Amino acid sequence: IAGITQAPTSQILAAGRRMTLRCTQDMRHNAMYWYRQDLGLGLRLIHYSNTAGTTGKGEVPDGYSVSRANTDDFPLTLASAVPSQTSVYFCASSETKGHTDTQYFGPGTRLTVL
Amino acid sequence: GQNIDQPTEMTATEGAIVQINCTYQTSGFNGLFWYQQHAGEAPTFLSYNVLDGLEEKGRFSSFLSRSKGYSYLLLKELQMKDSASYLCAVLAGSYQLTFGKGTKLSVIP
Repeated sequence: IAGITQAPTSQILAAGRRMTLRCTQDMRHNAMYWYRQDLGLGLRLIHYSNTAGTTGKGEVPDGYSVSRANTDDFPLTLASAVPSQTSVYFCASSETKGHTDTQYFGPGTRLTVL
Repeated sequence: GQNIDQPTEMTATEGAIVQINCTYQTSGFNGLFWYQQHAGEAPTFLSYNVLDGLEEKGRFSSFLSRSKGYSYLLLKELQMKDSASYLCAVLAGSYQLTFGKGTKLSVIP
């Protein structure tokens, strides 16, 4: 079944640790995105990638890095986690980064930083 | 920057009709999306409007007025399974989606 998968489903992490959230899509979509969702703040864009080999910063990029080595995978890394990064993280993809392209979301990763 | 406003919570009765409003201020408007998100789940696409007017899709309809910076999502014949958060999202000149904070809809018997 085509779609987006994320791993892990949930994680509790000590502050200062490094963590990589994984995202894989099998729809051959060119564009991919990482959002965080916090109560009362809605979904906010962290980083995006228009196509393999390119990445860009979203609204809240500080403390996060991404890479896009191929079309299918778009990992998000927290180099040194802090409690304010406790959130639900959603990966999404769209066929292109175009004005009519619907974004499809993965199931999310619930991250708690202590 | 962009500003998107929608009510925080709404309650409606099963079988009724409910309208969820969204107002926005942005430059370089390229369309407005509505997503549905059940608690603990991922957002799922409901509708996309880029031209003024009403788009109907089964029990759900979405309306857009670009001149007024206004959209609404209309849900007819409400069912208990429609209890969810509804997210308004604007696509602006940078082709990045900006989401509103969402409207939590509770459908009661």
